[in-house]
Amino acid sequence: QSALTQPPSASGSPGQSVTISCTGTSSDVGGYNYVSWYQQHPGKAPKLMIYDVSKRPSGVPDRFSGSKSGNTASLTVSGLQAEDEADYYCSSYAGSNNYVFGTGTKVTVL
Amino acid sequence: EVQLVESGGGLVQPGESLRLSCAASGFSFSSYSMIWVRQVPGKGLEWVSYISGSGNTKYYADSVKGRFTISRDNAKNSLYLQMNSLRAEDTAVYYCTRRPNAEMDVWGKGTAVTVSS
Repeated sequence: QSALTQPPSASGSPGQSVTISCTGTSSDVGGYNYVSWYQQHPGKAPKLMIYDVSKRPSGVPDRFSGSKSGNTASLTVSGLQAEDEADYYCSSYAGSNNYVFGTGTKVTVL
Repeated sequence: EVQLVESGGGLVQPGESLRLSCAASGFSFSSYSMIWVRQVPGKGLEWVSYISGSGNTKYYADSVKGRFTISRDNAKNSLYLQMNSLRAEDTAVYYCTRRPNAEMDVWGKGTAVTVSS
């Protein structure tokens, strides 16, 4: 199973929006509505930010939103804040309880 | 408070074995399937293994199949990962995660495994 493709980096100024793409195949992203997104600060464990493509866990700000079209999922962070600076990983269910993660995107708040 | 705490990591030589443990608290452990995820320092995340709530169903990534064994003891609220025939490429931080549906909603802080001679 190949890793999902994400851009290595993305950036925006405080208050702006940034969108991260996550491209897979019809066997993972395109085949299931089970895309999730994780935020990871340096030295910390990942944190679930979005699941089932567009659902937010309790406690996650509504500045974070997710979507999917075909084999590509996207995470949008609106109203960027300094604490949003982190690495972001997408993940997709790939059948038979297998999962595949994205390559990761470093978001920088300028 | 829902919590997962991994332990058992360390430095081992290639070919040796190691057993990781994950202690769960704050939720009904047996009601959830669990997943191990690993991360090579400075690199991305990799799914390693899945186990159902009952422990009857298990899946492994191709990279560890035949070498790693996932198990759980619901009476002790604990998850395990037995790692045999370790290789340098198994060096990573190993995370224990809870899987309510298709997402990993709770993560431990991880335990570091280094395979080196």
